[in-house]
Amino acid sequence: EDQVTQSPEALRLQEGESSSLNCSYTVSGLRGLFWYRQDPGKGPEFLFTLYSAGEEKEKERLKATLTKKESFLHITAPKPEDSATYLCAVQGNNNAGNMLTFGGGTRLMVKP
Amino acid sequence: KAGVTQTPRYLIKTRGQQVTLSCSPISGHRSVSWYQQTPGQGLQFLFEYFSETQRNKGNFPGRFSGRQFSNSRSEMNVSTLELGDSALYLCASSLFSNNEQFFGPGTRLTVL
Repeated sequence: EDQVTQSPEALRLQEGESSSLNCSYTVSGLRGLFWYRQDPGKGPEFLFTLYSAGEEKEKERLKATLTKKESFLHITAPKPEDSATYLCAVQGNNNAGNMLTFGGGTRLMVKP
Repeated sequence: KAGVTQTPRYLIKTRGQQVTLSCSPISGHRSVSWYQQTPGQGLQFLFEYFSETQRNKGNFPGRFSGRQFSNSRSEMNVSTLELGDSALYLCASSLFSNNEQFFGPGTRLTVL
């Protein structure tokens, strides 16, 4: 059974204070690891897909990296508008199709 | 391109009733997945439909069912509602299986 654990559960940062969110996973053959951002009352917004260890992707102040056991979402010089819940999810070989297994999320609050 | 749309956005039902939720995927997307999101359990996969066929089903009771139409629009049905079914129900679409999934805004179901 695929498992995803995200830490920390909540993170408070000052504007401009860089940090990283962690996503640890256990999966029988990784087909893809996904990062989403979710604002209160809205559906998750797709950020990145990573497929193999060593892969990195960037978008504005966000950079996602992947190893064989975990992924990190690095946030550089965050702004208040980066405040949201960040979700990590995996697709494994033991499930056909598009099933995603999600972690519990990290709630990020960036203060001005 | 228009995003994933879900109707209705909010719904209040009483125990024992049944409910039908609707999802229109992004134009051209053939895979539609449904997820339940609650504060206690997080995001959990319900089922996926691809070309009108259910490809995968999560660990939910048979009261939860769904279908997909030839135009890729999907509906999910919950019969004999229980208080614990109160949740945000999210629909996600992708071009094919094994692609990035894009989520709709969700339907907030409250069971009284």
